[in-house]
Amino acid sequence: SQQGEEDPQALSIQEGENATMNCSYKTSINNLQWYRQNSGRGLVHLILIRSNEREKHSGRLRVTLDTSKKSSSLLITASRAADTASYFCATGLPTGANSKLTFGKGITLSVRP
Amino acid sequence: DAGVIQSPRHEVTEMGQEVTLRCKPISGHNSLFWYRQTMMRGLELLIYFNNNVPIDDSGMPEDRFSAKMPNASFSTLKIQPSEPRDSAVYFCASSLNNEQFFGPGTRLTVL
Repeated sequence: SQQGEEDPQALSIQEGENATMNCSYKTSINNLQWYRQNSGRGLVHLILIRSNEREKHSGRLRVTLDTSKKSSSLLITASRAADTASYFCATGLPTGANSKLTFGKGITLSVRP
Repeated sequence: DAGVIQSPRHEVTEMGQEVTLRCKPISGHNSLFWYRQTMMRGLELLIYFNNNVPIDDSGMPEDRFSAKMPNASFSTLKIQPSEPRDSAVYFCASSLNNEQFFGPGTRLTVL
């Protein structure tokens, strides 16, 4: 299985600190994506990084991808209480557009005000 | 755009009853995905469609589950007969350029 596995399972930090979440996967991918899920809601796409990219930024988010290690990290800088949510990495197969994604079990992030 | 629309938002039914979940994807998206989420098993892909055609249904648990997409703006997921172990949140998502947009989910409780 190429399922992404996130690490740690849970993370608790103080508002203003940076949060780093990691994801590892097992097989070749076309892209890796990060999603956020607030309690009781659907998942929301945060950022997509393609297999030929190494780093990508979006606002306070920074994602890195190391295909040699089959791993990715999501950094949220200057965290806010509103960042409290579950975060999932998802991997897409190298088989063309709109192929299925395989999601990990998620990381629960708590940001204390 | 209103985003992905799912109905009902909550469904409580008794074991053995038929359950039909509905999804309206975002206009212009050509892929649609059905997921199930539980605490124990996480987020599981049940089935997905490209251009209304089922591509991969290997995640459908068993014959009690069926999904259809009669046109580009509507899909259903049916469970018949339902069982308590089907209790979960069911999400529909539509996709454009690999990015998936999720609906709010249907929370299904089978008593």
